[in-house]
Amino acid sequence: NAGVTQTPKFRILKIGQSMTLQCTQDMNHNYMYWYRQDPGMGLKLIYYSVGAGITDKGEVPNGYNVSRSTTEDFPLRLELAAPSQTSVYFCASRQRTGNTEAFFGQGTRLTVV
Amino acid sequence: KQEVTQIPAALSVPEGENLVLNCSFTDSAIYNLQWFRQDPGKGLTSLLLIQSSQREQTSGRLNASLDKSSGRSTLYIAASQPGDSATYLCAVSKETNAGKSTFGDGTTLTVKP
Repeated sequence: NAGVTQTPKFRILKIGQSMTLQCTQDMNHNYMYWYRQDPGMGLKLIYYSVGAGITDKGEVPNGYNVSRSTTEDFPLRLELAAPSQTSVYFCASRQRTGNTEAFFGQGTRLTVV
Repeated sequence: KQEVTQIPAALSVPEGENLVLNCSFTDSAIYNLQWFRQDPGKGLTSLLLIQSSQREQTSGRLNASLDKSSGRSTLYIAASQPGDSATYLCAVSKETNAGKSTFGDGTTLTVKP
């Protein structure tokens, strides 16, 4: 039972570099989300997707991009990394139908120096 | 815009005490409320999901209640143990918003032996 899998677990980037955070789920969930969590804070929504080919911005989308070519995968792209993007990133998924819980990955800890 | 507040931000209790964590939200038109546990440097573990039509949910020593009209939820932990030490997050979602969750900043619980 893999659930939601995120890679990598840790990454250090230099300012201006780019990277892709990977997220995959094996529960056939339509809804997927990317959140970031800054120290001592709750989670803030970056982007979300209601199904393959459909994505939309969340609360804090600037500096990020996403794609959803398959139901399983929802990668998050950081272009031109900035120190303000130092955070822990969580991917989550949920069933579209029914009143169901959200499942979270273990997170990616990103530091931009 | 939905806002979620968790009070207190931190709580320290001796082992064996019963305790209550609070979560309040400004928009009562929610679909469900979910309580999570987060250990330091780890991901989110779902504890309980309460649907908007429910008043409470129980799992072992945990009991979560929901008063949608007043915008409040509580998480009751009975007979606390040192292993309960963690940050507890609540999140509310609206089905009409693609199930997106709005999180509180969490309550950090320390249970002293």
